[in-house]
Amino acid sequence: DTEVTQTPKHLVMGMTNKKSLKCEQHMGHRAMYWYKQKAKKPPELMFVYSYEKLSINESVPSRFSPECPNSSLLNLHLHALQPEDSALYLCASSQAGLNEQFFGPGTRLTVL
Amino acid sequence: AQSVTQLGSHVSVSEGALVLLRCNYSSSVPPYLFWYVQYPNQGLQLLLKYTTGATLVKGINGFEAEFKKSETSFHLTKPSAHMSDAAEYFCAVSALYGNKLVFGAGTILRVKS
Repeated sequence: DTEVTQTPKHLVMGMTNKKSLKCEQHMGHRAMYWYKQKAKKPPELMFVYSYEKLSINESVPSRFSPECPNSSLLNLHLHALQPEDSALYLCASSQAGLNEQFFGPGTRLTVL
Repeated sequence: AQSVTQLGSHVSVSEGALVLLRCNYSSSVPPYLFWYVQYPNQGLQLLLKYTTGATLVKGINGFEAEFKKSETSFHLTKPSAHMSDAAEYFCAVSALYGNKLVFGAGTILRVKS
């Protein structure tokens, strides 16, 4: 299995809602990533987990809360988001420490 | 520190013509270089990568790229464009280890019939 899957594909939420994005991979990768991508821009790194531990937080606001329950799963918990947080959220994985990253299809998030 | 510059935010070619997407990088350590393609509302797909060894690398869908250290370049080419190549292309650089990819701003390729 060489796929990274993400659910849901689309998400619409209000500013007071709490929701979660999910990402799963079964390639045995021990590094997983969250990116945010605005229209016509490159992906921006948000978080990196290495061996289930948070190794990089790119100064992301606390309304975004990542979680890595095990080596195959990565979640992004969302709370009190702003309309400017609307974007495509991409998950990726790689072998630990190496940078050939495999991306999922993304979750299109709209915050009303 | 590392950075990537992609020359041309939009490139337009005719079907069957040569595709050339330009990428220049800056890196204080030996770079690993990647080209990714992104179709509308989809994730990124790895086209090809340069790590070490042969400087001409071949990827999927007929694309190839040549690592030129003296020019700090990693341009992407395809001899004959197909309509299905229309997408956005991102060049990225990283160090061997470290978990960080640095992306260029992207180039949107348009293929005219």
